[in-house]
Amino acid sequence: DTGVSQDPRHKITKRGQNVTFRCDPISEHNRLYWYRQTLGQGPEFLTYFQNEAQLEKSRLLSDRFSAERPKGSFSTLEIQRTEQGDSAMYLCASSVGTDTQYFGPGTRLTVL
Amino acid sequence: GNSVTQMEGPVTLSEEAFLTINCTYTATGYPSLFWYVQYPGEGLQLLLKATKADDKGSNKGFEATYRKETTSFHLEKGSVQVSDSAVYFCALRSTDKLIFGTGTRLQVFP
Repeated sequence: DTGVSQDPRHKITKRGQNVTFRCDPISEHNRLYWYRQTLGQGPEFLTYFQNEAQLEKSRLLSDRFSAERPKGSFSTLEIQRTEQGDSAMYLCASSVGTDTQYFGPGTRLTVL
Repeated sequence: GNSVTQMEGPVTLSEEAFLTINCTYTATGYPSLFWYVQYPGEGLQLLLKATKADDKGSNKGFEATYRKETTSFHLEKGSVQVSDSAVYFCALRSTDKLIFGTGTRLQVFP
């Protein structure tokens, strides 16, 4: 059990560029979650998958955001036409069903 | 809607002092409750959890009791160490997602 991993750990981009983050869950975990954490706040839910199906999306997830989990293993989160307000820590978590969610180290995005 | 309210930080303590971090929640039904900890430069780690009323979660000397009468899940530790310095998040599970409080920073000085 190697834990949840995320790549990259840090990303600096210019406004208007597209970025993509990857999350590898704990093997055998069928659920995968994405959260966003801004400075001084707790994480906020964005979306989650059960296997390859995306079951819920938050209103925070604008049309510029898209997430996939094509084979029910790793997931990607893409942000198109980034804005300065997208600067945050993007966290991934995984679980077996509704059991405890285990978090990765996060990807810190800075939009200049 | 469901929400979690935590006491604002930072909480500053001397080593071996008693710690309480208050957490109250608003929810329909009886959600599972969690405390996560975030050490500097690291991701969120589960500290403890409780899944039903009157359950006590405990780990690494930390404890929290699920109180449905007061809708609270306060975190306590009898004697803190410098290594406990971190940000602590209270959370509840609402259907399939976690709802977090804003976090409380704990600073412990020798």
